This record gives sequence, structure tokens and C-alpha cells, in this order.
Amino acid sequence: DGGITQSPKYLFRKEGQNVTLSCEQNLNHDAMYWYRQDPGQGLRLIYYSQIVNDFQKGDIAEGYSVSREKKESFPLTVTSAQKNPTAFYLCASRGQETQYFGPGTRLLVL
Amino acid sequence: AQSVTQPDIHITVSEGASLELRCNYSYGATPYLFWYVQSPGQGLQLLLKYFSGDTLVQGIKGFEAEFKRSQSSFNLRKPSVHWSDAAEYFCAVGPYNAGNMLTFGGGTRLMVKP
Repeated sequence: DGGITQSPKYLFRKEGQNVTLSCEQNLNHDAMYWYRQDPGQGLRLIYYSQIVNDFQKGDIAEGYSVSREKKESFPLTVTSAQKNPTAFYLCASRGQETQYFGPGTRLLVL
Repeated sequence: AQSVTQPDIHITVSEGASLELRCNYSYGATPYLFWYVQSPGQGLQLLLKYFSGDTLVQGIKGFEAEFKRSQSSFNLRKPSVHWSDAAEYFCAVGPYNAGNMLTFGGGTRLMVKP
């Protein structure tokens, strides 16, 4: 069953803590993306990666970091420098010029 | 820079009525255009896409959209709405030759009255 998985579904972050959101795909797609979604604001691009071991900042990369060591995996770390991390985070991968999305992770601050 | 505007933040229609969701884009070249749907707490599901060719494209769940270059629009339509169509709908535009950078509209929340 091909697709994109994100875990966990919910994540709680304490003050000053780094947390990592997982994104895995078995679609054999080269490109992967991370978006942040806030109510009423649509989706904003955080980071994207077109190929393994390479990634680029999107529009709102400050306070976030990523790695792309494997084709199927693109984890996102929300660092303590991100002062307003509460949001819904969506991962996507691209095939045939189309982006396909995972189910999302909701990050909440304790 | 590319941009997408969805003028209607909320729309309410009666079940069985027709639906049209508006999307206007700004892009300097031939765009790739997409409509996605999102149920609460879920990811985005692709409804349909336009790359080239016939300007009326058919998608899943009975949706269609028409690309009008002269109006820079890509409106989504459905002839008869079902209660299960209640969700948020996003229009997106991307570059012709890569598709890697999508710009999303702010979304339209659809509510369906019984």
C-alpha cells in the first residue's frame, strides 16, 4: 500500500525543547516537502528537498531544520528557536509533477 | 511572484445544490493548477489538476474545474453537492517546468446544509 506516513499524529513540546516530526514515503519520489498550516492561512513552505543529501529553505525556515539521508525519509526538527510552533504540519512528496500529502502532525506547546 | 486568491473564505450550500468555488491566480508563465480537499484534521487529497490541453478537467468525487487564461481563473464546480463534500478546499499554482514550488490559496471552507 503506497503512500506517505507521518508520525506522531499529535506531538507536545515543552518550552526550550527540540522535537522531530517523521515523514516517510514509499512512492519512490525524489522530491519531498514540509508545510506549516495555521488556521485561515493556507499552507506555507518550510523546507523542501529535490534529492537525497540536498535540501533548500522555503518561505518560513527559521526555527526549523531538516535532513535527507534516505530517499524515503525527510524528518523535520522544530527547534527551541521557533517561538510559535503550534500548528498543523504536512509533509508531501512529488511524483509526475504533482504533490501528494501525508495525514499531518499536530504540534502543541505545553 | 506567483499568488493564488480564493475570494470566499466560507461558503454554505444546500445538499443537492450546485457548487462553484473561485480561484484566481497570478503567474507569469503557463501554470500548473491544482485543487485539493482537506477534511478536518486530515492531509490534503488531490481532486484534480490542469497542466495543458482541454481547459475543462474532470476530477474525483464528481468535481470539475475550468481553466480560463483570459480571466486567470481555475474555478471548481460540482453539479450536486453531497453532505460528505463538507471540507476545506485549496487551490494551488505551480511552475510549468518543475511543479516543485506550489503556492496555495488561503482555502474555502464548504458547509453543506441538509
